Amino acid sequence: GNSVTQMEGPVTLSEEAFLTINCTYTATGYPSLFWYVQYPGEGLQLLLKATKADDKGSNKGFEATYRKETTSFHLEKGSVQVSDSAVYFCALISNTGNQFYFGTGTSLTVIP
Amino acid sequence: DVKVTQSSRYLVKRTGEKVFLECVQDMDHENMFWYRQDPGLGLRLIYFSYDVKMKEKGDIPEGYSVSREKKERFSLILESASTNQTSMYLCASSFDRARGSPLHFGNGTRLTVT
Repeated sequence: GNSVTQMEGPVTLSEEAFLTINCTYTATGYPSLFWYVQYPGEGLQLLLKATKADDKGSNKGFEATYRKETTSFHLEKGSVQVSDSAVYFCALISNTGNQFYFGTGTSLTVIP
Repeated sequence: DVKVTQSSRYLVKRTGEKVFLECVQDMDHENMFWYRQDPGLGLRLIYFSYDVKMKEKGDIPEGYSVSREKKERFSLILESASTNQTSMYLCASSFDRARGSPLHFGNGTRLTVT
């Protein structure tokens, strides 16, 4: 079956620290992978995506590389800002399936 | 930019009421989805639709129904609201699931059933 596992939070970092949020998946077929971000009181916004192995998605200083060999899609940012405080969701859709599968979300708080 | 609009940000309803949550997207997307989001449980799929007048059950359809009479509009209906349906409801749309198109979400409706 299809599933996404991401590291549990909450995560608290100081401004300018390095961020990694781990995400691993199981999937049938060849999934596309996504990271979404949810700011307080809002819906989810697409942060980045990768549609095939070894693709790197990037946006707003965040990056994630689609690693088929380790079935992972870890989110990284070199220097976080207070404005990055949000909940981050890893997700996939299999090319043989008809649903998106989400991780449970990781809450990030960045303190000045 | 794709815009997915949910008609209400906050709703308070009484137990037993029939509740309608409306969602409209402006990008001619084929696919529309309703999720609920609860602390510790993440997002759970209630219903989805790949075409007008077409619907499929997600993971937790009990107590809900949906309507898609027009391509741009997807309504979630709580036939008889109960307190365990107090939640954040998120509508989403996507262009083409076969090519891994991303979901675009609305801002959510926070429903409280008293």
